[in-house]
Amino acid sequence: KAGVTQTPRYLIKTRGQQVTLSCSPISGHRSVSWYQQTPGQGLQFLFEYFSETQRNKGNFPGRFSGRQFSNSRSEMNVSTLELGDSALYLCASKGGVETEAFFGQGTRLTVV
Amino acid sequence: KNEVEQSPQNLTAQEGEFITINCSYSVGISALHWLQQHPGGGIVSLFMLSSGKKKHGRLIATINIQEKHSSLHITASHPRDSAVYICAVRSRARLTFGEGTQLTVNP
Repeated sequence: KAGVTQTPRYLIKTRGQQVTLSCSPISGHRSVSWYQQTPGQGLQFLFEYFSETQRNKGNFPGRFSGRQFSNSRSEMNVSTLELGDSALYLCASKGGVETEAFFGQGTRLTVV
Repeated sequence: KNEVEQSPQNLTAQEGEFITINCSYSVGISALHWLQQHPGGGIVSLFMLSSGKKKHGRLIATINIQEKHSSLHITASHPRDSAVYICAVRSRARLTFGEGTQLTVNP
């Protein structure tokens, strides 16, 4: 069974640009969550999607958005990139509400 | 004060030592996770606990719901156990993370 796949693994963008990151969950998992990890703030919850609906959202500005498709694949988008958006972005998939989360390898975004 | 506090922040051990990492939290939770993160970023879920104790190989995780405290133990530690260990609690349908414990096991 394939694990959680995130693409791309590495990305360099310029301030002001926008970026789209992709996450393919484990087959059969309908829940996908996104997290941001920075040296200063640690891991922080961005949002969670279940069956194409955003179920929960963390404390991030509206520049951070996401969506989930009917095949459970999810994308997150960051518009008007800032230097502080440089981080490791991780997604995790789950088979149910209170089940174990499986993480992808992450996308390392560098904003210059 | 963070909702999830881990101790110690850094831990260096000799191969074979018994290791304990602690996690305290201040909110009501439905589950607690222990995660392992190696250099490069990938995170592996080690345990998900809502009560009691779980064991997997050399790893043991315990949780005391009344005291809002969990511990991760590693028996007979090995250099390949070197990683960051992160405690995360599930509350209000989201995960909140501790700052992590950097473990280094020397041969």
